[in-house]
Amino acid sequence: ETGVTQSPTHLIKTRGQQVTLRCSSQSGHNTVSWYQQALGQGPQFIFQYYREEENGRGNFPPRFSGLQFPNYSSELNVNALELDDSALYLCASSLVGQGSAYGYTFGSGTRLTVV
Amino acid sequence: GENVGLHLPTLSVQEGDNSIINCAYSNSASDYFIWYKQESGKGPQFIIDIRSNMDKRQGQRVTVLLNKTVKHLSLQIAATQPGDSAVYFCAEKDPGGYNKLIFGAGTRLAVHP
Repeated sequence: ETGVTQSPTHLIKTRGQQVTLRCSSQSGHNTVSWYQQALGQGPQFIFQYYREEENGRGNFPPRFSGLQFPNYSSELNVNALELDDSALYLCASSLVGQGSAYGYTFGSGTRLTVV
Repeated sequence: GENVGLHLPTLSVQEGDNSIINCAYSNSASDYFIWYKQESGKGPQFIIDIRSNMDKRQGQRVTVLLNKTVKHLSLQIAATQPGDSAVYFCAEKDPGGYNKLIFGAGTRLAVHP
């Protein structure tokens, strides 16, 4: 059984650019969630994808968008990068069924630095 | 790598002692809680979870206690080891209908030999 894998591990971008982060969910999981973790803080929920559709979103602007693919992998896209977008971006996969969540597992994250 | 928890409260313990990390949660309707450990440069690692129909759950060297009356969680680590040094987060599953976790502020655990 493989865990959650994210790529790249580190990334440096310039303000105004666009970035795409990738996540492969754990085998058997059908839901992917993305979180932003600023330095010294807990992770903040960005959004969740289930059955290839966004079905929950936190307090993040529309320039944060995502995709989920038929194999349950996912992408996080951020347009018009701002300096405050510098953070650790975490992907978590889980198995959602019958109204409960199981096996909520995080990847190691992508460290994004915007300069 | 990532330096998690620069300004977080710190609990310092001696190796071999028991550690207790506390957490207050926000929503009385939350029914599922998880404790995570996060080491520098890594993502949160699942430690133990508990559902709201339980008051206590034990794992290997760890125990989680849930007090729904005061919306409080604690994580007890027995015989703390240097490898336990990390930032610990509690998370509650948002009862709002989808699979969102709400994280607490985190506590840094520093284990001294």
